[in-house]
Amino acid sequence: LAKTTQPISMDSYEGQEVNITCSHNNIATNDYITWYQQFPSQGPRFIIQGYKTKVTNEVASLFIPADRKSSTLSLPRVSLSDTAVYYCLVGELNNFNKFYFGSGTKLNVKP
Amino acid sequence: SAVISQKPSRDICQRGTSLTIQCQVDSQVTMMFWYRQQPGQSLTLIATANQGSEATYESGFVIDKFPISRPNLTFSTLTVSNMSPEDSSIYLCSVEDLGAVTDTQYFGPGTRLTVL
Repeated sequence: LAKTTQPISMDSYEGQEVNITCSHNNIATNDYITWYQQFPSQGPRFIIQGYKTKVTNEVASLFIPADRKSSTLSLPRVSLSDTAVYYCLVGELNNFNKFYFGSGTKLNVKP
Repeated sequence: SAVISQKPSRDICQRGTSLTIQCQVDSQVTMMFWYRQQPGQSLTLIATANQGSEATYESGFVIDKFPISRPNLTFSTLTVSNMSPEDSSIYLCSVEDLGAVTDTQYFGPGTRLTVL
């Protein structure tokens, strides 16, 4: 299983775009990249998933370069409610994949 | 997405006792998982709850300490046995959703356990 490395914490201000990068140098050919968000006292919540290039949904965008050794979660115009821990995971789809969480990135959005 | 509930939401227990945590899903799912999240830490996978067979435990976790049941495709329990203060954590269950586009896990709200 590919190990992931993320910054421990990041600070931002309301209205800014936030980019959180995750390193996964040993990602396997069949691995997908998934990001979760966790608020205090809640279970993690799925944000976005991708394999290559760019994926966008109503919440975020995920940028994956051609070598797939890293990925960047982009949150447009963050608000105070986006203050949370963000986890990057890699794993094979449709293989009853077990998720191994890394340390995550604590995003602190300031007014 | 699946809706997952856990009972109890929190509990305070005495050392040496056991607590059983329930996880209920609103639809049938193949895979269910149990995680532990210690204060200020990330999530650690405890085991995979297999329907109709024994759970599969991760390194560092054993069945005698964390017995798991999975009687059907919508329900599972995790028991924390012979508790000590080191077992104080949030325990979360999750289910795998093999969607058409994504394959991900959905998590319950967690059970906050404090052992005195």
